[in-house]
Amino acid sequence: DVKVTQSSRYLVKRTGEKVFLECVQDMDHENMFWYRQDPGLGLRLIYFSYDVKMKEKGDIPEGYSVSREKKERFSLILESASTNQTSMYLCASSLAGIQGRPQHFGDGTRLSIL
Amino acid sequence: EDKVVQSPLSLVVHEGDTVTLNCSYEVTNFRSLLWYKQEKKAPTFLFMLTSSGIEKKSGRLSSILDKKELFSILNITATQTGDSAVYLCARPDSNYQLIWGAGTKLIIKP
Repeated sequence: DVKVTQSSRYLVKRTGEKVFLECVQDMDHENMFWYRQDPGLGLRLIYFSYDVKMKEKGDIPEGYSVSREKKERFSLILESASTNQTSMYLCASSLAGIQGRPQHFGDGTRLSIL
Repeated sequence: EDKVVQSPLSLVVHEGDTVTLNCSYEVTNFRSLLWYKQEKKAPTFLFMLTSSGIEKKSGRLSSILDKKELFSILNITATQTGDSAVYLCARPDSNYQLIWGAGTKLIIKP
């Protein structure tokens, strides 16, 4: 079974802090994704990566950056956390493929910015 | 703009009922359509559909795709309270990211 592990289930930080969310997958997937999910807005893609050191902006990259130094690990960084970044953050991974492969998700990190 | 539209947005039924959830999409270069179930945590993958008219089944859940009319349905028969969840559909775009629908919130009353 695919295992996607996010480092924290719940996290509370203060405005202005630099926040790191970590995600590790164990299935040698090429693609990795970071989403945020807010009530009424569904899943919104922040960034994704299709290879080590490669990244692409999603729909809402502002205020975020990412790092993929190893294939299995994809980090999301909030450079200077703000209250509007309070949300559920979901990491996912998938194989590459032109048909669009299923994405497998971690359990999510519920982040609160005070 | 490519969209994925799900209906209804929410649905409340009694245990034992059969439900049909809808997903329509706008695209000219279709690759696949995926269904997920999301309970309290992250979405879990249910089905991936690539061919029109071929039903995929898993227990009481089944799904079918109509590429001509650009929609898919997810059926759940003999519903149970454990089926209560948000059901999401998604399809890959030209960059192979997934475009997600807003989801259907299904509530099964005992």
